[in-house]
Amino acid sequence: AQTVTQSQPEMSVQEAETVTLSCTYDTSESDYYLFWYKQPPSRQMILVIRQEAYKQQNATENRFSVNFQKAAKSFSLKISDSQLGDAAMYFCAYRSAGNNRKLIWGLGTSLAVNP
Amino acid sequence: NAGVTQTPKFRILKIGQSMTLQCTQDMNHNYMYWYRQDPGMGLKLIYYSVGAGITDKGEVPNGYNVSRSTTEDFPLRLELAAPSQTSVYFCATERSYNSPLHFGNGTRLTVT
Repeated sequence: AQTVTQSQPEMSVQEAETVTLSCTYDTSESDYYLFWYKQPPSRQMILVIRQEAYKQQNATENRFSVNFQKAAKSFSLKISDSQLGDAAMYFCAYRSAGNNRKLIWGLGTSLAVNP
Repeated sequence: NAGVTQTPKFRILKIGQSMTLQCTQDMNHNYMYWYRQDPGMGLKLIYYSVGAGITDKGEVPNGYNVSRSTTEDFPLRLELAAPSQTSVYFCATERSYNSPLHFGNGTRLTVT
């Protein structure tokens, strides 16, 4: 069975600096999708970034980018120029490319942004 | 644009009571999901639906029921509430397979 591990329960970063959140996963599949979701205090889950496993190029969305290391089964999220609004829980998630609709979620990393 | 609307936002139930969590979407998405989020945990899939009239169990379906009579609505029914069902419940929709999930704001349920 697939698992997703986020080894950092809490992280903090100074405003305008860069922070990297770690995520590792375990799977025997070769085709899958990886996601980072953000959950601010408002509770609503928001997609930050998505990576298809068959794509070697790392996904980027503005200040957010990933370092996808397929062989190492690692999928870290880098937030550049951190802003106060980035403070949130960040969840890493895995989904098979097949017909399985289940997302496997990590336990989350709580990110604090210090002014 | 309303997106995904969940009601109520908060609810306290006594053990053995029943209730329905409502989820409505106006995006015409076929796929809908119910998740629960326990403190310090990721999300667990309760039930999902790939279209009106079609539902299926997720990881943790026991104690819950769903129906999907229309594309827009996907209510989650709790029968005989138990303290183990204390959680935050999220409804989510998806336009097509592996497009981004759109979440509602959640319902915080406490069973005492």
